[in-house]
Amino acid sequence: GAGVSQSPSNKVTEKGKDVELRCDPISGHTALYWYRQSLGQGLEFLIYFQGNSAPDKSGLPSDRFSAERTGGSVSTLTIQRTQQEDSAVYLCASSWDRVFGPGTRLTVL
Amino acid sequence: DAKTTQPPSMDCAEGRAANLPCNHSTISGNEYVYWYRQIHSQGPQYIIHGLKNNETNEMASLIITEDRKSSTLILPHATLRDTAVYYCIVRENQGDYKLSFGAGTTVTVRA
Repeated sequence: GAGVSQSPSNKVTEKGKDVELRCDPISGHTALYWYRQSLGQGLEFLIYFQGNSAPDKSGLPSDRFSAERTGGSVSTLTIQRTQQEDSAVYLCASSWDRVFGPGTRLTVL
Repeated sequence: DAKTTQPPSMDCAEGRAANLPCNHSTISGNEYVYWYRQIHSQGPQYIIHGLKNNETNEMASLIITEDRKSSTLILPHATLRDTAVYYCIVRENQGDYKLSFGAGTTVTVRA
């Protein structure tokens, strides 16, 4: 595709529910990143995928967070048992993070 | 331990040049200066980056001082669509992917 796409654009969920956020990177880009941005806060690195290498998960805030990337393309970020502090905009980027997707705004009630 | 400091906000008149300063006095020799911006409700957008030479692209110019301790992003003819938060960061080119932004400079372009 022409850019990085993410879905859904908005997600409202209840505390304790699981959510899945999807990222479609630019075709052919081997590097994919997930970040999050809380209201009024800066950007926070979550996880990095590069080709077939083991992902760098050092930014994941807890074991409720996980991500996978199937076939070196689409990636899914999963948050289990969501908490209110998980509310944020979740951003995906590819190509050495110079191209960001529009983000998914997650609201946990 | 912010590696860059920027003014919190600035206004600019439409059609005029906007000069955005950034201090990075502790920058190391292998770190680049990167600029991103984020328009409201959108993802961050890469603008430009440089090591020590001045750089120009279709969006902006980047002027880096000789000692590399500060830089200025120049938007030559600001438009209303340039209203955004502008982030200056320092990082190793490609090697440092744990991108993080500080508060940035909120630029408001006024008609």
